[in-house]
Amino acid sequence: GEDVEQSLFLSVREGDSSVINCTYTDSSSTYLYWYKQEPGAGLQLLTYIFSNMDMKQDQRLTVLLNKKDKHLSLRIADTQTGDSAIYFCAERNSSASKIIFGSGTRLSIRP
Amino acid sequence: DSGVTQTPKHLITATGQRVTLRCSPRSGDLSVYWYQQSLDQGLQFLIQYYNGEERAKGNILERFSAQQFPDLHSELNLSSLELGDSALYFCASSRGVNTEAFFGQGTRLTVV
Repeated sequence: GEDVEQSLFLSVREGDSSVINCTYTDSSSTYLYWYKQEPGAGLQLLTYIFSNMDMKQDQRLTVLLNKKDKHLSLRIADTQTGDSAIYFCAERNSSASKIIFGSGTRLSIRP
Repeated sequence: DSGVTQTPKHLITATGQRVTLRCSPRSGDLSVYWYQQSLDQGLQFLIQYYNGEERAKGNILERFSAQQFPDLHSELNLSSLELGDSALYFCASSRGVNTEAFFGQGTRLTVV
């Protein structure tokens, strides 16, 4: 079946790197996404990676994909207070239209 | 701003009532998705439309229905509302069926 798992909370010090991890079960996942949700706001697409890629970097964001272990991570370099939010991992396979979301990881930043 | 517009932003209604949530996708997007976000269930996929046709169905209750109109906007109809239907309802749109999806700001529904 389709399932996406994430830890619920992560606390990091301002300026450090944050690493949010995600595991998924669908081996035919083709697209993997990271969304950010700030309090009272909608979901903002941060980045995505195709399953034939190992890594994708976009400014402070680095996505790593280990397809063998079905493990996805999002690294945020130089974490700032504005990065406080819930981060959702999501996956979709090419034969399905729906996007399956994890439960979200709440990232809090401490001074 | 994602380009996906949802109205209304907030809605308070009584149990047993019926409401309609509206979504305007990004310009050029043919696919519309509806999701429900509640505290205990997380983000649940409800239904997807592509160019006016139902494409995929998720955990959508029989009391709920949706449609996508020729101008590509979509409506989600929720009837016989229960307290447990209180949630954030998100609409998302994408260019095709397998491209990345962009979310609206959501409609917060409170059933009292």
